[in-house]
Amino acid sequence: KAGVTQTPRYLIKTRGQQVTLSCSPISGHRSVSWYQQTPGQGLQFLFEYFSETQRNKGNFPGRFSGRQFSNSRSEMNVSTLELGDSALYLCASSLVRQGNTEAFFGQGTRLTVV
Amino acid sequence: GEDVEQSLFLSVREGDSSVINCTYTDSSSTYLYWYKQEPGAGLQLLTYIFSNMDMKQDQRLTVLLNKKDKHLSLRIADTQTGDSAIYFCAEGPSGGYQKVTFGIGTKLQVIP
Repeated sequence: KAGVTQTPRYLIKTRGQQVTLSCSPISGHRSVSWYQQTPGQGLQFLFEYFSETQRNKGNFPGRFSGRQFSNSRSEMNVSTLELGDSALYLCASSLVRQGNTEAFFGQGTRLTVV
Repeated sequence: GEDVEQSLFLSVREGDSSVINCTYTDSSSTYLYWYKQEPGAGLQLLTYIFSNMDMKQDQRLTVLLNKKDKHLSLRIADTQTGDSAIYFCAEGPSGGYQKVTFGIGTKLQVIP
């Protein structure tokens, strides 16, 4: 079966712009989580969506937002980009069934803010 | 809050065993995970252990959990050059949601 697909793979933006990243989960998976990975901070949890509802949110400013569509595809948006937003953004999808907790990760979107 | 700590770097010779250690703080975590990330790739779940288990073995991988000390380790037997990657320790889910807290990652270098 197809894995988690993130688009685009690479992105370069300038400070002050906004960006939208997309994640298509594995078919049948209803939970999508987003993470930011930087060399200094490691992997930081951004938010999780389940059935179009945000269930949990990490400690990121309001410039970071997301949404999930009825087909479970998710987007995250970062407005007013800052240099420090340069990172690898990873999306993970999960089946969320009792006894099954595995999260499958996409390859990520590498965002560079200049 | 949740926090996961692990050392940054480990170097071993091919054929030796590797042991990557991790400590965590959230005693309510249900699962503890080990993920592997190769250059340019996403994260791959290697193995996980339920918090009520002490040990789990899966082929060359052995996970040991000391719940009292909140210490988790991953042992890779007969380490190969293909095992060179960054290994992340993680705990979760927290609060019933799919939030996983990751360590900063241990870079494993395997010397031929």
